[in-house]
Amino acid sequence: EVQLVESGGGLAQPGGSLRLSCAASGFTFSSYEMTWIRQAPGKGLEWVSYISASGTTIFHADSVKGRFTISRDNARNSLFLQMNSLRAEDTATYYCARYHVLTGFDSWGRGTLVAVSS
Amino acid sequence: DIQLTQSPSSLSASVGDRVTITCRASQRISRHLNWYQHKLGRAPKLLIYEASNLQSGVASRFSGSGSGTDFTLTITNLQPEDFATYYCQQNYNTPPWTFGQGTKVEIK
Repeated sequence: EVQLVESGGGLAQPGGSLRLSCAASGFTFSSYEMTWIRQAPGKGLEWVSYISASGTTIFHADSVKGRFTISRDNARNSLFLQMNSLRAEDTATYYCARYHVLTGFDSWGRGTLVAVSS
Repeated sequence: DIQLTQSPSSLSASVGDRVTITCRASQRISRHLNWYQHKLGRAPKLLIYEASNLQSGVASRFSGSGSGTDFTLTITNLQPEDFATYYCQQNYNTPPWTFGQGTKVEIK
């Protein structure tokens, strides 16, 4: 069974940093593209970041470009999101999701909550 | 960027009803459109991919149709566990991957 478990969320001050992690199991992690998707309180889903299976291709949404960095460790079956220069508008539940070009985001974790407030 | 507009934004329905949600793309996206179900506090779930393909393990009362700019998600014989928010998402021109704003299905 595919499992994705996010961790690392919490309260951060504006301008601060957090590092999210996603532990993957139940599939060959190194063969899959991965993404981060977020949902702000009362809002819809917003794609944040993408990383290819090998880690060589990376994309970030304009709203986080230059502040967030996605990475992965295929040896440890783990996905990461380094979040710097946090803003109040980054407050959201962050989901780790497996991606396939045909099926889209076909497996998701339950999310980790990030709150940015002074 | 491709914009997706869902309608309605919310609806009330009863168990056993047939429910239809539409998603309109700002440009033609062939059939590269997926549908998700999201319940509060739970992981979102892929229901339909490539406009009309039922994801493995998803109940057959869910179906999708459409191509180009107009797409539909239909739930026949609505069940209590189907009350949730539904999102469409395009895979045609990425990045960015974009979602509709969501349709909340509530109990009448």
